This record gives sequence, C-alpha cells and structure tokens, in this order.
Amino acid sequence: AQKITQTQPGMFVQEKEAVTLDCTYDTSDPSYGLFWYKQPSSGEMIFLIYQGSYDQQNATEGRYSLNFQKARKSANLVISASQLGDSAMYFCAMREGGGKSTFGDGTTLTVKP
Amino acid sequence: NAGVTQTPKFRVLKTGQSMTLLCAQDMNHEYMYWYRQDPGMGLRLIHYSVGEGTTAKGEVPDGYNVSRLKKQNFLLGLESAAPSQTSVYFCASHRKQEPNYGYTFGSGTRLTVV
Repeated sequence: AQKITQTQPGMFVQEKEAVTLDCTYDTSDPSYGLFWYKQPSSGEMIFLIYQGSYDQQNATEGRYSLNFQKARKSANLVISASQLGDSAMYFCAMREGGGKSTFGDGTTLTVKP
Repeated sequence: NAGVTQTPKFRVLKTGQSMTLLCAQDMNHEYMYWYRQDPGMGLRLIHYSVGEGTTAKGEVPDGYNVSRLKKQNFLLGLESAAPSQTSVYFCASHRKQEPNYGYTFGSGTRLTVV
C-alpha cells in the first residue's frame, strides 16, 4: 500500500488566490513527521514546512500552512495569496522512525496571472 | 556555506559502464540519503546512512552500492549501468538531533544510460 498519496496530478490557481494541495498518508507508527517540499522547474528540492504527529497546532511558515487532520490521516498544504513564483511541483513526504522519508508522486501547481 | 554538493551534474553512460556519484556536505550532518526521481514521479530511496561507516538499503537498492567512509561524503556507485537507471539522482542530508527539519538536498545529477 502506498504510504503517501497525492491525488491531484495537476492544479491551477489564479494569482493572489489560495490553493490547497491534498496529501493523505498511511502509517501505524504513532511518531512521525510530515513534510512538504517544492520543486521548481529548475529541479532543486526546497523544504517548505513540517508537522509532527504530536503537534497540537497546524504548522505555518509565511504563506504556507499545513492542515493536519490526524484522524483522517491527511496533511494538506495551503498556499495563501498565490504568486507566479509558486508554480512548481509540490511533494508531500512522511518520515517515520530512523529518519528516512517516503515521498508522494507530487502535484504540479500552475499559477495563472 | 556550500550545503550539499553533488558531482557530476550531468552524465551519459553506455550500458554496462560503471560510475560513482559523489555527495559532499559541510553541515556536519549525520544522516545522508540517495534518492532517484523518475519523470513525473516522486523520490524513491536507494540507500541511506545514519553515520560514518554505516549504510543501509532503501526501497530500490538493486544495481547500486554506497560507501560512507567519511562523515561528510556519501558515494553512490553503479556497478553495471542499465537504461532503467536513467534518472535524476538526489542526495540529501539532515542532522540526527533535528528530525523535524526537512532534508537539505543537493542540486541533483541527471544520468542517462544509453
């Protein structure tokens, strides 16, 4: 069974609007971390935001927030006030014990002017 | 601060040839990883290391070997390259005491096997 599922291969959003990128995960480990990374067309991987399984509040980093619903095993990324530079591929990842992470297949976000 | 440096950035190999990809980090990170990314897909873990002198297999280790003789370097070897190993290879690292920090990635190595 896939551990990380990103069901949206591609998403479009109008500039300055908010967008939600979906991520569901599967684990039986009570301790885990959830991450989002951005991969622009240039190819590098950029860490955006982290949510721990025991964190009570949703993580926020500037215009990025993580909508963590533990019972539903979902960790959606919300980008507010989209900018043209947000156009990229976004990956959700889960880190269980030992440090290694499992990645989803990604969502390509296109911001329209 | 260079972060994570991968060499080479691009390489074309013929089937059956061997090569070594080098990953070097200057952040004193204990944990290092090699992932591959195929077109339109996420990253899959090849091998990883939790410290100098230790390595372990990931999800797709076949056809690859690794070594971590020095803390700052993590080498990925292809023993006999196959077209199925055409991919973009990423090295990543993080500090053991900071599990809530995301990986620091290298810029990737684009490998084509013909």
